[in-house]
Amino acid sequence: GESVGLHLPTLSVQEGDNSIINCAYSNSASDYFIWYKQESGKGPQFIIDIRSNMDKRQGQRVTVLLNKTVKHLSLQIAATQPGDSAVYFCAENIGPGAGSYQLTFGKGTKLSVIP
Amino acid sequence: NAGVMQNPRHLVRRRGQEARLRCSPMKGHSHVYWYRQLPEEGLKFMVYLQKENIIDESGMPKERFSAEFPKEGPSILRIQQVVRGDSAAYFCASSQTDSGNTIYFGEGSWLTVV
Repeated sequence: GESVGLHLPTLSVQEGDNSIINCAYSNSASDYFIWYKQESGKGPQFIIDIRSNMDKRQGQRVTVLLNKTVKHLSLQIAATQPGDSAVYFCAENIGPGAGSYQLTFGKGTKLSVIP
Repeated sequence: NAGVMQNPRHLVRRRGQEARLRCSPMKGHSHVYWYRQLPEEGLKFMVYLQKENIIDESGMPKERFSAEFPKEGPSILRIQQVVRGDSAAYFCASSQTDSGNTIYFGEGSWLTVV
């Protein structure tokens, strides 16, 4: 079935370096994408979102890029800090009509920041 | 996401008992969603509710699981006759509307069935 998946299950980066977490999706009808950060024992924390009519969106230290041609989503974290260590999930929403509330999550990428 | 309140945070139940998980959405949010997360996996949608209405329960197991969001009080996810396979983290989320608004998650309720 159609799903959201991640290329790399784990990622280790040096403190201060930039991190890039990738995500592939297979549903071309997906309209809305969200990145969540989940620390151990906690709930998913919203990081940034992007709609399908955009290809880039920036937040504080984070940038999300959307390539609809190859159905690829990435999260870039600038100057990675130890506090960024967590599991990162991408989630897709297939938009109005099919239930814009129903998010489909990937399995997650674990980001480890080396001090 | 600190505004979505879930309790209990941790719950241990013996097989066959009932588990009740509660969720109060963020202030001003009238849409509630429940997701389940198994170890080392992403979240899976279970049910979407508005006040006094179940809008979509396509992700809920057909038996033993039920959810409600009464006019007054929190949303409740109820699991009857729990089995070991029900052990998971259950997350509640809320949003202002069902389209175009960010969905915020609570801290989760971890159910362990022994």
